[in-house]
Amino acid sequence: AQSVTQLGSHVSVSEGALVLLRCNYSSSVPPYLFWYVQYPNQGLQLLLKYTSAATLVKGINGFEAEFKKSETSFHLTKPSAHMSDAAEYFCAVSAMDTGRRALTFGSGTRLQVQP
Amino acid sequence: NAGVTQTPKFQVLKTGQSMTLQCAQDMNHNSMYWYRQDPGMGLRLIYYSASEGTTDKGEVPNGYNVSRLNKREFSLRLESAAPSQTSVYFCASSQGRSSYEQYFGPGTRLTVT
Repeated sequence: AQSVTQLGSHVSVSEGALVLLRCNYSSSVPPYLFWYVQYPNQGLQLLLKYTSAATLVKGINGFEAEFKKSETSFHLTKPSAHMSDAAEYFCAVSAMDTGRRALTFGSGTRLQVQP
Repeated sequence: NAGVTQTPKFQVLKTGQSMTLQCAQDMNHNSMYWYRQDPGMGLRLIYYSASEGTTDKGEVPNGYNVSRLNKREFSLRLESAAPSQTSVYFCASSQGRSSYEQYFGPGTRLTVT
């Protein structure tokens, strides 16, 4: 079984400040990990993914995430927040041994960016 | 290349009514999925189809049925809608095999009164 925990349902930062969104996962086998972003009234868009290559993964819009096996974490960061980053962010895990390859999602973190 | 499309965008049903949500992808993907999104719960898998001709239950399948009509299309049917099925429904697809990356449609917002 696999699961994802996102710490903090709401995060507020000032424009230009560091963004840190936390994600911890549980998986009995090596996982694939994803971050998705959802803007209001839209579907989910892939930000970045970890698929057992480099542990530091760079995504779109200046976001990156680091896979830390010892901490079972995959936190999302961005050095400098922009107003356009305001959205909901979802961490997801997919275990490599499952035939269905469906994603298990965290409950989401809503990012607010203050001017 | 439209990606994943869903119809309708919005729907209001009365309790007991039925309806079918349509999903189509033009990326030649093998696998397709239906999720529902509820506040504070992320997305939960309803049904999935690993390949054309196969379907299987996900985490919350009760009250739903699916049909993988062909490689492109995967529909979700509510036979007798209930207020607990008020949600936003997302369809997704992926290449399958070695690729786990999923592409999502814009969603259908369903209200059951």
